[in-house]
Amino acid sequence: GAVVSQHPSWVICKSGTSVKIECRSLDFQATTMFWYRQFPKQSLMLMATSNEGSKATYEQGVEKDKFLINHASLTLSTLTVTSAHPEDSSFYICSVSRQLTSYEQYFGPGTRLTVT
Amino acid sequence: RKEVEQDPGPFNVPEGATVAFNCTYSNSASQSFFWYRQDCRKEPKLLMSVYSSGNEDGRFTAQLNRASQYISLLIRDSKLSDSATYLCVVRVNTGGFKTIFGAGTRLFVKA
Repeated sequence: GAVVSQHPSWVICKSGTSVKIECRSLDFQATTMFWYRQFPKQSLMLMATSNEGSKATYEQGVEKDKFLINHASLTLSTLTVTSAHPEDSSFYICSVSRQLTSYEQYFGPGTRLTVT
Repeated sequence: RKEVEQDPGPFNVPEGATVAFNCTYSNSASQSFFWYRQDCRKEPKLLMSVYSSGNEDGRFTAQLNRASQYISLLIRDSKLSDSATYLCVVRVNTGGFKTIFGAGTRLFVKA
């Protein structure tokens, strides 16, 4: 069964608006969740690491004021794309890391964002 | 040089063929290794972890060579449903752990 869920699965919004994406860990409590972005025909790029109860850690080049992350509980992290622009159109995927043998990562189904 | 490099392909093979994917990584602090599969417009899904001793899961065999910093995935008796992008993934200990994804190798299996 699914380990991670995301909502919405796709969203279309107008430039300048904000979009919130939810990521839920279904099977276990996740103190850490990861947010990735993937452009067509490119690899996943880590945007930030979301830590429950503390501030997210952003990767170099990712604007923390534009991509707001809130990890309010052990099962929910949200990513808000503020003042979205067409270049923010992408596939946003969250994941959790679980130590079964080697800290395998499990991904949510992704959210396809299109900014018009 | 990319931290994780893969041949982007695409690999076009007939059903029943055996196909091998290679991956090299540059950071000697890499500790865990995985192959993921990603279908078009879907999220990556874990195919298998890769161990130094090599491991097999049905038609899939993964190998790790730490000395050469090289990982491989072999798919035997390819099925149409194997068509996807295969991502080589490495977990590196750089003071904290970091997961690095290869750009993926695209596979098309044709009837």
